[in-house]
Amino acid sequence: GDSVTQMEGPVTLSEEAFLTINCTYTATGYPSLFWYVQYPGEGLQLLLKATKADDKGSNKGFEATYRKETTSFHLEKGSVQVSDSAVYFCALKDFNKFYFGSGTKLNVKP
Amino acid sequence: DAGITQSPRHKVTETGTPVTLRCHQTENHRYMYWYRQDPGHGLRLIHYSYGVKDTDKGEVSDGYSVSRSKTEDFLLTLESATSSQTSVYFCAISEGPHERGRGLGEQYFGPGTRLTVT
Repeated sequence: GDSVTQMEGPVTLSEEAFLTINCTYTATGYPSLFWYVQYPGEGLQLLLKATKADDKGSNKGFEATYRKETTSFHLEKGSVQVSDSAVYFCALKDFNKFYFGSGTKLNVKP
Repeated sequence: DAGITQSPRHKVTETGTPVTLRCHQTENHRYMYWYRQDPGHGLRLIHYSYGVKDTDKGEVSDGYSVSRSKTEDFLLTLESATSSQTSVYFCAISEGPHERGRGLGEQYFGPGTRLTVT
């Protein structure tokens, strides 16, 4: 069945450091891939998305590239800020069902 | 922001009592979902709906039922709440394949309901 695996956290970085959160997936069809972000006490918000192989999703300085050959969708940001502290979820959509990773908590220190 | 509201936002109830959570959308999207979020498990799908009166089970559906009598409302019912159902519940919506919207089928989430079963 479909599934998403992402690196466990928490990830703690200093401000302006480079961020990578790994995400790999297993899917039976041709999924769309997403990254969502959740701030404390809130619901999930869509961060970025990619619908086919080699697509790059980007938003607010975050990027992720849909790599079919490695079944990966790693999230990157060149310079994190304290305001990026949140939980990040990788997800895939296959046949109108969504599958989420377990989430990675990011702590950014000043 | 997508128009999704959940009610109540917080609820404390006793074991064995019935509980109904409501999700309301103003986007007229075809698909609606109920998830629970627990530490270490991410989001797990409970039930989803692909149209009025059309629902299907997710991966953790035992102990839960749903109903959708109108496009805009999706109800989640715990017939007899147990302590293992203490969780944060999220509703989400997404477009159907024939809807013309701004997105490409991604989900939009409500603010969540924190349920405590004592």
